[in-house]
Amino acid sequence: QSVLTQPPSASGTPGQRVTISCSGSSSNIGGNYVYWYQQFPGTAPKLLIYRNNQRPSGVPDRFSGSKSGTSASLAISGLRSEDEADYYCAAWDDSLSGWVFGGGTKLTVL
Amino acid sequence: EVQLLESGGGLVQPGGSLRLSCAASGFTFSSYAMSWVRQAPGKGLEWVSVISGSGSSTYYADSVKGRFTISRDNSKNTLYLQMNSLRAEDTAAYHCAKQASTVTAHFDYWGQGTLVTVSS
Repeated sequence: QSVLTQPPSASGTPGQRVTISCSGSSSNIGGNYVYWYQQFPGTAPKLLIYRNNQRPSGVPDRFSGSKSGTSASLAISGLRSEDEADYYCAAWDDSLSGWVFGGGTKLTVL
Repeated sequence: EVQLLESGGGLVQPGGSLRLSCAASGFTFSSYAMSWVRQAPGKGLEWVSVISGSGSSTYYADSVKGRFTISRDNSKNTLYLQMNSLRAEDTAAYHCAKQASTVTAHFDYWGQGTLVTVSS
C-alpha cells in the first residue's frame, strides 16, 4: 500500500487531455513539493515535473502539474501514442523522514 | 553528461548479504545527495535510502531499516548499499538516483538499475 494514492490506470485517445491524480496527506504533499516521473518498460524513470508545476528542459509543454492542499495532478494535453507509459508522483514525507511514491498509473493511448 | 552505473546485483539466498555499487560521473559527486530506489518485478517505485553529499546524514525506509546501510566514497565518486538479512520481498531492480541538491530535493537523474533476486 503506497503512501501516495494514484489510480492504477488511465486512458485516452490521441489529441485528448487526460489527468492523473495523486492524493497524500499534510506530512507529504500538503507541506512539500510534488514531483512526477515517467517510466517506459525496462527503462529508468525520467523527471517530468518538479516543484509541483515546473518542467525540466526538454519536457513538452503538453505536460503540466498542479497541487492543491494534499492532492496533486498531472495533466497531459494533446495526447500522443508515445505518452503511453507509467507515471509516478513523489514527495518528501516529514513524518517518515523519507521519500514516498504513488503506486503508479499506467497510461494507455487508445 | 551525468552517468550513474549500478553493479553488484545477483542471486542470493534468504538471510544472505549483498553490496551494491553505483559509479557516478559527469557532476561534482560530493555536492549532491544520492538515493537508492527499488522496483520489484511488475511493481511500482519504492524509495530505500538517501545519503547527504558529505555522508553525514542518512535516512531509510522502514522496510529496510536495521538491515541496509547506505554509504558513499566521495574520493571514488561511488555510492554503496550494503544489504544484510535479505528477504524474498527485497527482490527488485535497485536504481541509484542523484538528488538535485540536498536529501529533500528531487531525483533528477537515475541509473538503469541492477537486479537483486533473493531466493533459495
